Amino acid sequence: DSGVTQTPKHLITATGQRVTLRCSPRSGDLSVYWYQQSLDQGLQFLIQYYNGEERAKGNILERFSAQQFPDLHSELNLSSLELGDSALYFCASSETSGIQETQYFGPGTRLLVL
Amino acid sequence: AQSVTQLGSHVSVSEGALVLLRCNYSSSVPPYLFWYVQYPNQGLQLLLKYTSAATLVKGINGFEAEFKKSETSFHLTKPSAHMSDAAEYFCAVSASGGSYIPTFGRGTSLIVHP
Repeated sequence: DSGVTQTPKHLITATGQRVTLRCSPRSGDLSVYWYQQSLDQGLQFLIQYYNGEERAKGNILERFSAQQFPDLHSELNLSSLELGDSALYFCASSETSGIQETQYFGPGTRLLVL
Repeated sequence: AQSVTQLGSHVSVSEGALVLLRCNYSSSVPPYLFWYVQYPNQGLQLLLKYTSAATLVKGINGFEAEFKKSETSFHLTKPSAHMSDAAEYFCAVSASGGSYIPTFGRGTSLIVHP
């Protein structure tokens, strides 16, 4: 158990809908990272937040957005969903924002868009 | 720009045999390099990372990797495979000196035969 929790574990929705994925980092960790893993695109880094502020942005679509709240949990919002958004979404956390920090990954949320 | 190529989507070894998973990278700036492991139905776990210190990096579970700049490689090895090593392995590259924005390889599935 990494100490990172993600909810829900599974999510089934329809095209055009909007969903919110939630991530709670390990106690004391200030950085949260979001990743997408799909059969087509493989594993992709989406975005990083550090202490409430966006720190780094990867291949995140404009239909997707994220935020980190004062209690340090983070939410990833996916809107206007398409079939291709079906994937496993991971979050990870680390103590600070440095590139050398070890990240601890949650178990993921599996999203299926029908 | 950066990219990662993992040679071989599947690697099969016998228990007790040498494990060699290949990773070649491309980066326009000095890279940081990472190996992650993903066990079935679990999140990612960092095995080891190269962050411009020693070129031979030792990680968890007996794995190690050597950064070879001349060959643009960061191959992962383990002297003796265990059944518990069966998993998906991902190599990733991120530019040093800036934010953590990794690019992942497509992954190599390690199969260990008794």
